[in-house]
Amino acid sequence: QKEVEQNSGPLSVPEGAIASLNCTYSDRGSQSFFWYRQYSGKSPELIMFIYSNGDKEDGRFTAQLNKASQYVSLLIRDSQPSDSATYLCAVNGVSGYSTLTFGKGTMLLVSP
Amino acid sequence: EAQVTQNPRYLITVTGKKLTVTCSQNMNHEYMSWYRQDPGLGLRQIYYSMNVEVTDKGDVPEGYKVSRKEKRNFPLILESPSPNQTSLYFCASSPDRGNEQFFGPGTRLTVL
Repeated sequence: QKEVEQNSGPLSVPEGAIASLNCTYSDRGSQSFFWYRQYSGKSPELIMFIYSNGDKEDGRFTAQLNKASQYVSLLIRDSQPSDSATYLCAVNGVSGYSTLTFGKGTMLLVSP
Repeated sequence: EAQVTQNPRYLITVTGKKLTVTCSQNMNHEYMSWYRQDPGLGLRQIYYSMNVEVTDKGDVPEGYKVSRKEKRNFPLILESPSPNQTSLYFCASSPDRGNEQFFGPGTRLTVL
């Protein structure tokens, strides 16, 4: 059974700070990693994806992947109150039969 | 506009009364999926479909049926709903199973 683990939070940070969200996964064969943002009562929306070890930056967001440690993280720089949401980590296993497995999400609260 | 649509968005029904939640996508995606989301349990996959006439069980398929007669549509059928199927349901589509999934707006179902 593939598992994706996230701290449920809430993670509270002040406006302008860096928020760091973490995710670990159990399937060593996982190849694709996604971060979704979900506002309360709304559908998840993709904010980042990463396939290779290292960092990937997109605006205020940086995804970090370490396959040896089975760890993926999302950094949000200059956090804004509008970033307050639940962040879902999703992982894809080996190709051929796997689908995305979602973590339960980390709630982020950014205070003004 | 590329999108996934679901109907109805909200539904209150009674135990045992058959219902169908429709899902349609206009992106010509081969892969479609249904999830339910419950507090503390995260997103759990119910069924998925890799193409027309190809469907398979996800993690929580009991009590649900699906069909994929056309590429764009993937309805979720509850033959005899029960209160434990009260949940927020999301349909999603993707170019293929390992890639980013695009989510519909969600259907909030209450079974009394």
